[in-house]
Amino acid sequence: AQTVTQSQPEMSVQEAETVTLSCTYDTSENNYYLFWYKQPPSRQMILVIRQEAYKQQNATENRFSVNFQKAAKSFSLKISDSQLGDTAMYFCAFMKQANQAGTALIFGKGTTLSVSS
Amino acid sequence: DAMVIQNPRYQVTQFGKPVTLSCSQTLNHNVMYWYQQKSSQAPKLLFHYYDKDFNNEADTPDNFQSRRPNTSFCFLDIRSPGLGDAAMYLCATSRAGDRALEAFFGQGTRLTVV
Repeated sequence: AQTVTQSQPEMSVQEAETVTLSCTYDTSENNYYLFWYKQPPSRQMILVIRQEAYKQQNATENRFSVNFQKAAKSFSLKISDSQLGDTAMYFCAFMKQANQAGTALIFGKGTTLSVSS
Repeated sequence: DAMVIQNPRYQVTQFGKPVTLSCSQTLNHNVMYWYQQKSSQAPKLLFHYYDKDFNNEADTPDNFQSRRPNTSFCFLDIRSPGLGDAAMYLCATSRAGDRALEAFFGQGTRLTVV
């Protein structure tokens, strides 16, 4: 069975600073996908960034980037130039190879990020 | 425009009284999921539909059922809600085999059991 662990229940950062959220996972799969989802207060969860395990290059989406260490099973999210709108709960998630029936996201417990001015 | 819509946003039900939560989507995705999210916990997958095929998680209580009458709609039925079933229920969709892999979530239904 796959598990996803986020060891930081809460984090805070000031505007314009950089923050890194940690995530580790456990799996025996070789091909899989990792995601960071953002859930703002009272709003729906949205995808922030994704990483395919077979790709060595770390994914980047504007101010968001990941540090994917496959051997260590680590998948951290770096948010640069933090903005007030980044305040949300962030979930790390794992998915087995997507073209198989029955695949679904497995989430970590989340990290609540607060950005202050 | 909302693509995954959950109704109602807030639902209060009595202990033991059956309740149905609904989810609709405009994305024409073939996979629909129901997650239960309790406060400060990870969303927990209850079950999902791959087209018309129902996939139940092994630890989902029998109290929880689901129906998917067509591609666009999916329902979560809780036959006899207990206090422990109070939670946020999230519906999500995705397109199986889509390399984009993105799951789209609704805003959730917060269920209170009194």
